[in-house]
Amino acid sequence: NAGVMQNPRHLVRRRGQEARLRCSPMKGHSHVYWYRQLPEEGLKFMVYLQKENIIDESGMPKERFSAEFPKEGPSILRIQQVVRGDSAAYFCASSQNTGNQPQHFGDGTRLSIL
Amino acid sequence: DAKTTQPNSMESNEEEPVHLPCNHSTISGTDYIHWYRQLPSQGPEYVIHGLTSNVNNRMASLAIAEDRKSSTLILHRATLRDAAVYYCILRDVPDNFNKFYFGSGTKLNVKP
Repeated sequence: NAGVMQNPRHLVRRRGQEARLRCSPMKGHSHVYWYRQLPEEGLKFMVYLQKENIIDESGMPKERFSAEFPKEGPSILRIQQVVRGDSAAYFCASSQNTGNQPQHFGDGTRLSIL
Repeated sequence: DAKTTQPNSMESNEEEPVHLPCNHSTISGTDYIHWYRQLPSQGPEYVIHGLTSNVNNRMASLAIAEDRKSSTLILHRATLRDAAVYYCILRDVPDNFNKFYFGSGTKLNVKP
């Protein structure tokens, strides 16, 4: 499967725990985007990364959320001290470059906070 | 955010064409029009995009009004697998090439 891979597909955490969401972009893609989707709503942009660099994090909450895309390995979206309001589907997308290339999305991680 | 307006829902019969409208009256000259769709429990899937001219691909056609203030996604023969939420998105390449603004989309129901 050459598509964008996200894992886990489902993640359950208790309030105060940490959540780590992983995203492996399509082969040859060096641009990664993270989006969050609440039930019955559209996706909301969170952060855009290239290898080892955060390019735009204007949609990411200032506290508890962080993202990285290391030289080797998947991109990680990390949520510390989770709260009930963090429950959502988190989608990762990748593209070959910027300009006007389509973004290819994974099937998301559904995060549930107990 | 570049704004688009779409009907909340539409219904179609299987094997019939479907025309999904999108209004974008504040579109700028450098905004591309992108369409994505999202099937239940899946991530969005790219459908088509264009700037000024009508576009065709194996999935759909995109008809863009001459003044570019509206566009229509055309599914030539709807199937049950086309039931999804369809998002019309404007993407400003020079300034905001790195992110999409998703609205609420149009939920398409296809009846057998």
